Amino acid sequence: DVVMTQTPPSLSVAIGQSVSISCKSSQSLVASDKNTYLNWLLQSPGRSPKRLIYQVSKLDSGVPDRFSGSGSEKDFTLKISRVEAEDLGVYYCLQGTHLPHTFGSGTKLEIK
Amino acid sequence: EVKLLESGGGLVQPGGSMRLSCAASGFTFTDFYMYWIRQPAGKAPEWLGFIRNKANGYTTEYNPSVKGRFTISRDNTQNMLYLQMNTLRAEDTATYYCARRRELDYWGQGVMVTVSS
Repeated sequence: DVVMTQTPPSLSVAIGQSVSISCKSSQSLVASDKNTYLNWLLQSPGRSPKRLIYQVSKLDSGVPDRFSGSGSEKDFTLKISRVEAEDLGVYYCLQGTHLPHTFGSGTKLEIK
Repeated sequence: EVKLLESGGGLVQPGGSMRLSCAASGFTFTDFYMYWIRQPAGKAPEWLGFIRNKANGYTTEYNPSVKGRFTISRDNTQNMLYLQMNTLRAEDTATYYCARRRELDYWGQGVMVTVSS
């Protein structure tokens, strides 16, 4: 299975600060169709996970442009600029290129 | 509006069986691959498997961790997705979610399954 190594496990940030979360895969996530199926999801407290970004850098509808995704092959980053209170929760990366699809271990974002 | 609504969870004894359902609405169900994911309390989600769309013959793929015990199926006349779980173990205790397409763009609210005597 592809191992998704996500760091850091937790972050505590003040409103307005910027943060980055890293996700490294044990194999290249470039699929045979040339797409890279790397998603970022946010699980707010008590809620289902919600997708924020797909295919590395494409924002879902309604997701603020404070969120951005970057990376390629095996190394990916989620950046949140100007953190707001509503951003708290656990962020997961997910690879959908190789079977079985696998999730990172999560990054818990807390607001100071 | 896309909606996914799971049902059928609860308490089951080790070795028992349970079938979860997921009611889909707001999209053309037969066009999409459908997925099951589970999440033990306080842990990361785990991908369980999927069933392909009509164009790909509704075939299935499973995580090796559940292959042979879990079966995914769909009723396209009712827009329903199912997860049949057999020979359940304590480690199958989790919240179970259905989701749409490879990139999991929509998730249900989840249903809890507890395997305990």
